[in-house]
Amino acid sequence: DAKTTQPTSMDCAEGRAANLPCNHSTISGNEYVYWYRQIHSQGPQYIIHGLKNNETNEMASLIITEDRKSSTLILPHATLRDTAVYYCIVSDYNQGGKLIFGQGTELSVKP
Amino acid sequence: NAGVMQNPRHLVRRRGQEARLRCSPMKGHSHVYWYRQLPEEGLKFMVYLQKENIIDESGMPKERFSAEFPKEGPSILRIQQVVRGDSAAYFCASSPLRTGPSSGNTIYFGEGSWLTVV
Repeated sequence: DAKTTQPTSMDCAEGRAANLPCNHSTISGNEYVYWYRQIHSQGPQYIIHGLKNNETNEMASLIITEDRKSSTLILPHATLRDTAVYYCIVSDYNQGGKLIFGQGTELSVKP
Repeated sequence: NAGVMQNPRHLVRRRGQEARLRCSPMKGHSHVYWYRQLPEEGLKFMVYLQKENIIDESGMPKERFSAEFPKEGPSILRIQQVVRGDSAAYFCASSPLRTGPSSGNTIYFGEGSWLTVV
């Protein structure tokens, strides 16, 4: 079973920042937080991942709370092409390294 | 650097036939994962393979499904005697090291193979 909780859906205005929350209260010390997204009829696309520190790349920023029990993915200037299902995943070392996907958050970016 | 390559992208099979889906991992990646996505559902893990070894097949149906990743050539997901319920998108992913995301490595996905059973 997925170890994360995400809202089912969110809306965001085009050009505004999209902040997608994720709860992972049972995360253990060695587990990373990964974010992927899936645009309709395409393969999952890697966005970003982190362990303890906040991370930023060309796509997004990842803010992880100090206790690591939750995180937020930030898309700084959302565009219509960012409309997708966003998955927050905690890598489970005990699961042998595979990623277990939950239901994700369906983000709709509106003009 | 080419990404994860899957073929065929679309496959139509009649009930009872066999389906073979192929996956070539990214260059330098020696670990492959297969996932299935049924219509309007989420991604479900099926199997995790290393070259010539199955590491974890806990998500594979017990019958009709098999996977291999030979020393040479692509990984193959084989579905025998397909039924309508096998119609789905099958995604392959690869990572460079055995422990994959447990060590902070990233898994990259292909664009999927869409199987339709008629």
